[in-house]
Amino acid sequence: KAGVTQTPRYLIKTRGQQVTLSCSPISGHRSVSWYQQTPGQGLQFLFEYFSETQRNKGNFPGRFSGRQFSNSRSEMNVSTLELGDSALYLCASSLVANSPLHFGNGTRLTVT
Amino acid sequence: ELKVEQNPLFLSMQEGKNYTIYCNYSTTSDRLYWYRQDPGKSLESLFVLLSNGAVKQEGRLMASLDTKARLSTLHITAAVHDLSATYFCAVDIRNNDMRFGAGTRLTVKP
Repeated sequence: KAGVTQTPRYLIKTRGQQVTLSCSPISGHRSVSWYQQTPGQGLQFLFEYFSETQRNKGNFPGRFSGRQFSNSRSEMNVSTLELGDSALYLCASSLVANSPLHFGNGTRLTVT
Repeated sequence: ELKVEQNPLFLSMQEGKNYTIYCNYSTTSDRLYWYRQDPGKSLESLFVLLSNGAVKQEGRLMASLDTKARLSTLHITAAVHDLSATYFCAVDIRNNDMRFGAGTRLTVKP
């Protein structure tokens, strides 16, 4: 069974640009969550989608947005990039809420 | 504000020794997770603890949960080098909004 797939693995962007990250969950998983991991702040919850609906959102500015498609694939978008957005962005899927998360390998975003 | 505190943050162990990682959290929750992360890799789910008194064991790792004390422990028995990694505990707030501890970086030395 294929795991959670995130693309691209690495991205380098310039301040002010925008970026879109993609996540394909495990087949059959309908819940997709996004997390940001940085050395300073650790793992922080961004948002969670279930059946194309955002059910939860973490404490991030509106520049961070996401969506989920009918096939459960998800994208997150960060607009007007700032240096502080440099991080590893992890996508995770689960069969239902409140079950273990299966994480992808992440997208490492570097903002210069 | 919910806090999830792990200690120690860094742990250097000799092979064959035992040790415990502690995870304290500040909100009522009956759902606690332990994850492992190897350098440069993603997180792997180790244990799900769903109720007070829950105990789970896998190989040399054993996790327990005391919801009244808001404390979970991850006990390592007879450590081996392959256990070197960063271990995170996480409390599920709702709908996969998980609050993670800062992580415990474990190094097992021969």
